[in-house]
Amino acid sequence: QKEVEQNSGPLSVPEGAIASLNCTYSDRGSQSFFWYRQYSGKSPELIMSIYSNGDKEDGRFTAQLNKASQYVSLLIRDSQPSDSATYLCAVSPDTGNQFYFGTGTSLTVIP
Amino acid sequence: NAGVMQNPRHLVRRRGQEARLRCSPMKGHSHVYWYRQLPEEGLKFMVYLQKENIIDESGMPKERFSAEFPKEGPSILRIQQVVRGDSAAYFCASSPGQDPYGYTFGSGTRLTVV
Repeated sequence: QKEVEQNSGPLSVPEGAIASLNCTYSDRGSQSFFWYRQYSGKSPELIMSIYSNGDKEDGRFTAQLNKASQYVSLLIRDSQPSDSATYLCAVSPDTGNQFYFGTGTSLTVIP
Repeated sequence: NAGVMQNPRHLVRRRGQEARLRCSPMKGHSHVYWYRQLPEEGLKFMVYLQKENIIDESGMPKERFSAEFPKEGPSILRIQQVVRGDSAAYFCASSPGQDPYGYTFGSGTRLTVV
């Protein structure tokens, strides 16, 4: 059974702070890792993808991957109220095209 | 360039009826995936299809659920004899090819069984 675990939250941070979202996965053969943002009642939208160990930065977002620890995280710098949403971690195994999603972490940025 | 189109957006069915959910992938995308999201839960993979082929249906319930992606027209997820537990948001995603591309999701169909 391939598991993707996330702390469901809710996580609250003040505006301008750094939000840190974490995800662990059970399948050591996983190759691709994604973070999606989902506003209430809306579809998930892709924020970041990361495939190799280390950090990947895109604007205010930084994804971090540690395959040895089976851990992937997302940092949001200078958090804005518009960042308030549920963040889904998704992991793709080494074969196939399906993704395994975590249950999501609810983030609230307080103005 | 239209995104992934799903219809209807909302669907209400009585117990025992059939539900048909449609998904038209993005232009140029030949891979379609269906996911179900139950209230307060994450997205659960159901099925992966290419034109006229089911590639992976490991997430599909064994009974009452079926999916197709014909040569012409949208992909269809069919749920026969719906029960209250089928109430969920059903999302379709498409991609242009093999991983590691991320998906593009449609807006979803919210099925309510009364």
